[in-house]
Amino acid sequence: DAGITQSPRHKVTETGTPVTLRCHQTENHRYMYWYRQDPGHGLRLIHYSYGVKDTDKGEVSDGYSVSRSKTEDFLLTLESATSSQTSVYFCAIATEVTGELFFGEGSRLTVL
Amino acid sequence: AQSVTQLDSHVSVSEGTPVLLRCNYSSSYSPSLFWYVQHPNKGLQLLLKYTSAATLVKGINGFEAEFKKSETSFHLTKPSAHMSDAAEYFCVVSAPINFGNEKLTFGTGTRLTIIP
Repeated sequence: DAGITQSPRHKVTETGTPVTLRCHQTENHRYMYWYRQDPGHGLRLIHYSYGVKDTDKGEVSDGYSVSRSKTEDFLLTLESATSSQTSVYFCAIATEVTGELFFGEGSRLTVL
Repeated sequence: AQSVTQLDSHVSVSEGTPVLLRCNYSSSYSPSLFWYVQHPNKGLQLLLKYTSAATLVKGINGFEAEFKKSETSFHLTKPSAHMSDAAEYFCVVSAPINFGNEKLTFGTGTRLTIIP
């Protein structure tokens, strides 16, 4: 158990509403990530963080923002959800030497 | 730049027979390589990793993988499949983390089905 908790685990929302997903870690790692998983695409990086208030974009960042005000929490926000953002979202943390990732259990988001 | 290609999107084997899941990579750095497994409705779990030590890497649940630089491959094998091995498997290539997170690249996954 890598000490990663995602919330909520399941959410159904309507197009145009804001959504925030939370990732909480107890490991004190600098690097945290948000991925989305879709059939045929594997995992794609949305945003990542390399420290408090230090974040950067991944390959599919459009429509998403993130915040990291403290080491243990990394928030992913969809300002105005769209149906194309229906997906399973995974948070991960990484060890700094090898880049090995530890994943949360995922958050399934459905946008109607 | 780096990339990873999982050569089979779906593999089916009979219980008790060998498993081979193929992964080729390209990287400008000396890469770290990983195999992750994902069971239905679960997060990804690390099976094994290569980080420039021994080229034959042993992981959990009887899986192993061999790093072959000349072939740029990192295929995952298991001598005898078990029903519990049915899952999706992801090959991942990574440069050292201090080169930046963008150096983590996932394959598109191979779904392993075990036939009773």
